Amino acid sequence: DVVMTQSPLSLPVTLGQPASISCRSSQSLVHSDGNTYLNWFQQRPGQSPRRLIYKVSNRDSGVPDRFSGSGSGTDFTLKISRVEAEDVGVYYCMQGTHWPPFTFGPGTKVDIK
Amino acid sequence: EVQLVESGGGLVQPGGSLRLSCAASGFTFSSYWMSWVRQAPGKGLEWVANIKQDGSEKYYVDSVKGRFTISRDNAKNSLYLQMNSLRAEDTAVYYCARDSTHWGQGTLVTVSS
Repeated sequence: DVVMTQSPLSLPVTLGQPASISCRSSQSLVHSDGNTYLNWFQQRPGQSPRRLIYKVSNRDSGVPDRFSGSGSGTDFTLKISRVEAEDVGVYYCMQGTHWPPFTFGPGTKVDIK
Repeated sequence: EVQLVESGGGLVQPGGSLRLSCAASGFTFSSYWMSWVRQAPGKGLEWVANIKQDGSEKYYVDSVKGRFTISRDNAKNSLYLQMNSLRAEDTAVYYCARDSTHWGQGTLVTVSS
């Protein structure tokens, strides 16, 4: 199974400042079809997860453009250009290239300093 | 509007059984793979199982193989998870999800004596 790791696991941020979360996979996430199936999810307190980014860098509908995803192979990054209060929550990366099983990272908890 | 509504959770003793349901609306249910994802209290996300549009393919995480069965009824726009031989470590909120873009609100399963 592909193991996903994230760092940091806890990220206190100042409102209006940028934030960055790293995600690494135990093997390349490049699929034989040429796509890289790496997603990012946000889970606000008490809510269900919400997908933000799919295939590394594509924002889902309704996701603010302050969220961006990048990376390739085994190293990926989620960036928030200017953190807002509504961004508090836990962020997960998930790989969908080598399944079953789909595997998630452990999550990064973002809160306000 | 896509809606996924889970039901069937509750308290069950170790070794017991439970059947979860997910009622889908707002999209053509028979056109999508469907998944179950769980989240233990205070923990991260874990993919549990998924099923192809016509039910011909089903996949499971190793920890539930032989104990859980995913199924669907396209005529009723419903997804199911039959859980047998339940263990304390199966305690979690169980989410129904459509291709990781849409998630239900979850239903809590507690396995305890």
